Amino acid sequence: AQKVTQAQTEISVVEKEDVTLDCVYETRDTTYYLFWYKQPPSGELVFLIRRNSFDEQNEISGRYSWNFQKSTSSFNFTITASQVVDSAVYFCALRPYNNNDMRFGAGTRLTVKP
Amino acid sequence: ETGVTQTPRHLVMGMTNKKSLKCEQHLGHNAMYWYKQSAKKPLELMFVYNFKEQTENNSVPSRFSPECPNSSHLFLHLHTLQPEDSALYLCASSLTTGEAFFGQGTRLTVV
Repeated sequence: AQKVTQAQTEISVVEKEDVTLDCVYETRDTTYYLFWYKQPPSGELVFLIRRNSFDEQNEISGRYSWNFQKSTSSFNFTITASQVVDSAVYFCALRPYNNNDMRFGAGTRLTVKP
Repeated sequence: ETGVTQTPRHLVMGMTNKKSLKCEQHLGHNAMYWYKQSAKKPLELMFVYNFKEQTENNSVPSRFSPECPNSSHLFLHLHTLQPEDSALYLCASSLTTGEAFFGQGTRLTVV
Protein backbone atom coordinates (compact mmCIF):
# COMPACT_ATOMS: atom_id res chain seq x y z
CA ALA A 1 0.00 0.00 0.00
CA GLN A 2 1.12 3.51 -0.71
CA LYS A 3 0.58 6.52 1.48
CA VAL A 4 1.70 10.14 1.38
CA THR A 5 1.49 12.30 4.49
CA GLN A 6 1.68 16.05 4.52
CA ALA A 7 1.31 16.86 8.19
CA GLN A 8 1.17 20.62 7.73
CA THR A 9 -2.37 21.56 6.77
CA GLU A 10 -1.76 25.29 6.56
CA ILE A 11 1.30 27.50 6.76
CA SER A 12 1.36 31.28 6.81
CA VAL A 13 4.54 33.29 6.32
CA VAL A 14 5.49 36.85 5.57
CA GLU A 15 7.04 37.67 2.23
CA LYS A 16 10.79 36.99 1.97
CA GLU A 17 10.71 34.32 4.66
CA ASP A 18 11.93 30.84 3.83
CA VAL A 19 9.42 28.04 4.24
CA THR A 20 9.70 24.25 4.15
CA LEU A 21 6.82 21.96 3.27
CA ASP A 22 7.13 18.45 4.64
CA CYS A 23 6.28 15.22 2.85
CA VAL A 24 6.62 11.71 4.25
CA TYR A 25 5.69 8.63 2.27
CA GLU A 26 5.18 4.91 2.70
CA THR A 27 5.61 2.32 -0.01
CA ARG A 28 6.59 -1.32 -0.41
CA ASP A 29 7.97 -0.67 -3.88
CA THR A 30 11.74 -0.53 -4.27
CA THR A 31 11.54 1.86 -7.21
CA TYR A 32 9.13 4.71 -7.40
CA TYR A 33 8.67 8.35 -8.34
CA LEU A 34 8.00 11.31 -6.06
CA PHE A 35 6.41 14.54 -7.24
CA TRP A 36 5.48 18.00 -6.05
CA TYR A 37 2.59 19.95 -7.55
CA LYS A 38 1.29 23.46 -6.97
CA GLN A 39 -2.43 24.24 -7.10
CA PRO A 40 -3.14 27.98 -7.34
CA PRO A 41 -6.67 29.31 -6.81
CA SER A 42 -7.48 28.68 -10.48
CA GLY A 43 -7.59 24.96 -9.67
CA GLU A 44 -5.13 23.47 -12.13
CA LEU A 45 -2.34 21.38 -10.62
CA VAL A 46 1.01 22.59 -11.90
CA PHE A 47 3.87 20.09 -12.01
CA LEU A 48 6.99 21.27 -10.16
CA ILE A 49 9.39 18.33 -9.89
CA ARG A 50 9.79 14.58 -10.30
CA ARG A 51 12.36 12.57 -8.40
CA ASN A 52 13.30 8.92 -9.01
CA SER A 53 13.79 6.76 -5.94
CA PHE A 54 17.26 5.73 -7.03
CA ASP A 55 18.45 9.32 -7.31
CA GLU A 56 18.85 10.96 -3.93
CA GLN A 57 20.63 14.01 -5.20
CA ASN A 58 18.94 17.17 -3.99
CA GLU A 59 17.75 19.67 -6.53
CA ILE A 60 17.57 23.43 -6.69
CA SER A 61 15.56 25.41 -9.20
CA GLY A 62 15.66 29.13 -8.57
CA ARG A 63 14.00 29.79 -5.22
CA TYR A 64 12.79 26.19 -4.98
CA SER A 65 14.78 23.31 -3.55
CA TRP A 66 13.95 19.72 -2.71
CA ASN A 67 15.52 17.44 -0.11
CA PHE A 68 15.00 13.72 -0.75
CA GLN A 69 15.98 11.47 2.17
CA LYS A 70 15.27 7.83 1.38
CA SER A 71 16.39 6.74 4.86
CA THR A 72 13.57 8.72 6.44
CA SER A 73 11.12 8.39 3.51
CA SER A 74 10.87 12.13 3.19
CA PHE A 75 10.79 14.50 0.25
CA ASN A 76 10.65 18.04 1.59
CA PHE A 77 10.22 21.20 -0.43
CA THR A 78 11.74 24.56 0.52
CA ILE A 79 10.85 27.93 -0.92
CA THR A 80 13.50 30.56 -0.30
CA ALA A 81 12.57 34.23 -0.05
CA SER A 82 8.87 33.50 -0.46
CA GLN A 83 6.66 35.76 -2.55
CA VAL A 84 2.93 36.46 -2.52
CA VAL A 85 2.62 34.57 -5.82
CA ASP A 86 3.78 31.42 -4.04
CA SER A 87 0.46 31.32 -2.19
CA ALA A 88 -1.22 28.08 -3.21
CA VAL A 89 -1.90 24.53 -2.09
CA TYR A 90 1.11 22.27 -2.57
CA PHE A 91 0.77 18.54 -3.05
CA CYS A 92 3.31 15.79 -2.70
CA ALA A 93 2.65 12.58 -4.67
CA LEU A 94 4.04 9.07 -5.02
CA ARG A 95 3.81 6.63 -7.89
CA PRO A 96 5.30 3.15 -8.35
CA TYR A 97 7.81 2.84 -11.12
CA ASN A 98 5.83 0.24 -13.04
CA ASN A 99 2.28 1.52 -12.96
CA ASN A 100 0.19 4.67 -13.10
CA ASP A 101 -1.31 4.56 -9.61
CA MET A 102 -0.29 8.04 -8.42
CA ARG A 103 -1.29 8.88 -4.83
CA PHE A 104 -1.38 12.35 -3.40
CA GLY A 105 -0.97 13.75 0.07
CA ALA A 106 -3.68 15.94 1.56
CA GLY A 107 -1.85 19.08 0.56
CA THR A 108 -0.42 22.06 2.44
CA ARG A 109 -2.04 25.46 1.99
CA LEU A 110 0.68 28.11 1.92
CA THR A 111 -0.24 31.75 2.42
CA VAL A 112 2.44 34.34 1.86
CA LYS A 113 1.50 37.75 3.23
CA PRO A 114 2.99 40.98 1.92
CA GLU B 1 -2.32 27.27 -22.82
CA THR B 2 -2.65 24.00 -21.00
CA GLY B 3 -1.96 20.78 -22.85
CA VAL B 4 -4.90 19.13 -21.09
CA THR B 5 -8.31 20.67 -21.70
CA GLN B 6 -11.44 19.88 -19.71
CA THR B 7 -15.00 20.83 -20.54
CA PRO B 8 -17.20 22.10 -19.12
CA ARG B 9 -15.42 24.14 -16.46
CA HIS B 10 -18.55 24.31 -14.33
CA LEU B 11 -21.57 22.00 -14.23
CA VAL B 12 -24.71 22.01 -12.14
CA MET B 13 -26.90 18.95 -12.44
CA GLY B 14 -29.88 17.42 -10.73
CA MET B 15 -29.73 13.98 -9.20
CA THR B 16 -31.77 12.49 -12.03
CA ASN B 17 -29.74 14.04 -14.85
CA LYS B 18 -27.19 12.41 -17.12
CA LYS B 19 -24.16 14.43 -18.12
CA SER B 20 -20.63 13.84 -19.36
CA LEU B 21 -17.29 15.44 -18.61
CA LYS B 22 -14.76 15.63 -21.40
CA CYS B 23 -10.98 15.69 -21.32
CA GLU B 24 -8.62 16.11 -24.23
CA GLN B 25 -4.83 16.11 -24.38
CA HIS B 26 -2.48 16.96 -27.22
CA LEU B 27 0.75 16.04 -25.49
CA GLY B 28 1.21 12.64 -27.09
CA HIS B 29 0.68 10.91 -23.75
CA ASN B 30 -0.54 7.33 -23.49
CA ALA B 31 -2.06 7.40 -19.99
CA MET B 32 -5.07 9.40 -18.84
CA TYR B 33 -6.56 9.76 -15.38
CA TRP B 34 -9.66 10.98 -13.55
CA TYR B 35 -9.22 12.39 -10.04
CA LYS B 36 -11.85 13.70 -7.63
CA GLN B 37 -10.99 16.57 -5.31
CA SER B 38 -13.47 17.22 -2.49
CA ALA B 39 -13.27 20.00 0.02
CA LYS B 40 -12.13 17.89 2.93
CA LYS B 41 -10.43 14.92 1.32
CA PRO B 42 -7.15 14.33 -0.48
CA LEU B 43 -7.11 13.96 -4.24
CA GLU B 44 -8.73 10.63 -4.98
CA LEU B 45 -7.64 8.60 -7.97
CA MET B 46 -10.76 7.30 -9.72
CA PHE B 47 -9.73 5.74 -13.02
CA VAL B 48 -6.60 5.23 -15.08
CA TYR B 49 -6.38 4.34 -18.74
CA ASN B 50 -3.16 3.23 -20.39
CA PHE B 51 -3.19 2.95 -24.18
CA LYS B 52 -7.01 3.10 -24.05
CA GLU B 53 -7.22 0.18 -21.61
CA GLN B 54 -8.54 0.75 -18.11
CA THR B 55 -5.86 -0.24 -15.63
CA GLU B 56 -7.19 1.21 -12.38
CA ASN B 57 -10.66 1.51 -10.89
CA ASN B 58 -10.48 2.49 -7.27
CA SER B 59 -13.84 1.21 -6.09
CA VAL B 60 -15.69 4.02 -7.78
CA PRO B 61 -19.53 3.76 -7.71
CA SER B 62 -21.14 2.68 -10.95
CA ARG B 63 -22.89 6.03 -11.31
CA PHE B 64 -19.51 7.18 -12.65
CA SER B 65 -18.70 5.55 -15.97
CA PRO B 66 -15.43 6.33 -17.79
CA GLU B 67 -14.82 6.05 -21.49
CA CYS B 68 -11.54 6.32 -23.37
CA PRO B 69 -12.09 6.07 -27.13
CA ASN B 70 -8.46 6.90 -27.93
CA SER B 71 -5.30 8.02 -26.17
CA SER B 72 -6.20 11.70 -26.58
CA HIS B 73 -9.73 11.70 -25.22
CA LEU B 74 -11.28 10.70 -21.94
CA PHE B 75 -14.86 11.01 -20.80
CA LEU B 76 -16.61 10.61 -17.48
CA HIS B 77 -20.29 9.83 -17.83
CA LEU B 78 -22.42 10.78 -14.86
CA HIS B 79 -25.89 9.55 -13.95
CA THR B 80 -28.08 9.60 -10.84
CA LEU B 81 -25.43 11.37 -8.80
CA GLN B 82 -25.72 12.30 -5.14
CA PRO B 83 -25.04 15.68 -3.52
CA GLU B 84 -21.88 14.26 -1.95
CA ASP B 85 -20.51 13.77 -5.47
CA SER B 86 -20.16 17.53 -5.76
CA ALA B 87 -16.45 18.17 -6.19
CA LEU B 88 -13.72 19.31 -8.55
CA TYR B 89 -13.03 16.60 -11.13
CA LEU B 90 -9.55 16.71 -12.54
CA CYS B 91 -8.26 15.00 -15.62
CA ALA B 92 -4.57 14.31 -16.16
CA SER B 93 -2.34 12.64 -18.71
CA SER B 94 1.19 11.30 -18.73
CA LEU B 95 3.64 9.07 -20.46
CA THR B 96 3.91 5.68 -18.81
CA THR B 97 6.91 6.66 -16.72
CA GLY B 98 6.50 10.41 -16.59
CA GLU B 99 4.86 13.10 -14.54
CA ALA B 100 1.17 13.80 -14.94
CA PHE B 101 -0.11 17.04 -16.43
CA PHE B 102 -3.49 18.24 -15.25
CA GLY B 103 -6.39 20.09 -16.77
CA GLN B 104 -8.12 22.96 -15.00
CA GLY B 105 -10.88 20.73 -13.75
CA THR B 106 -14.65 20.67 -13.86
CA ARG B 107 -16.40 22.06 -10.82
CA LEU B 108 -19.46 19.84 -10.40
CA THR B 109 -22.41 20.70 -8.20
CA VAL B 110 -25.18 18.14 -7.72
CA VAL B 111 -28.46 19.61 -6.53
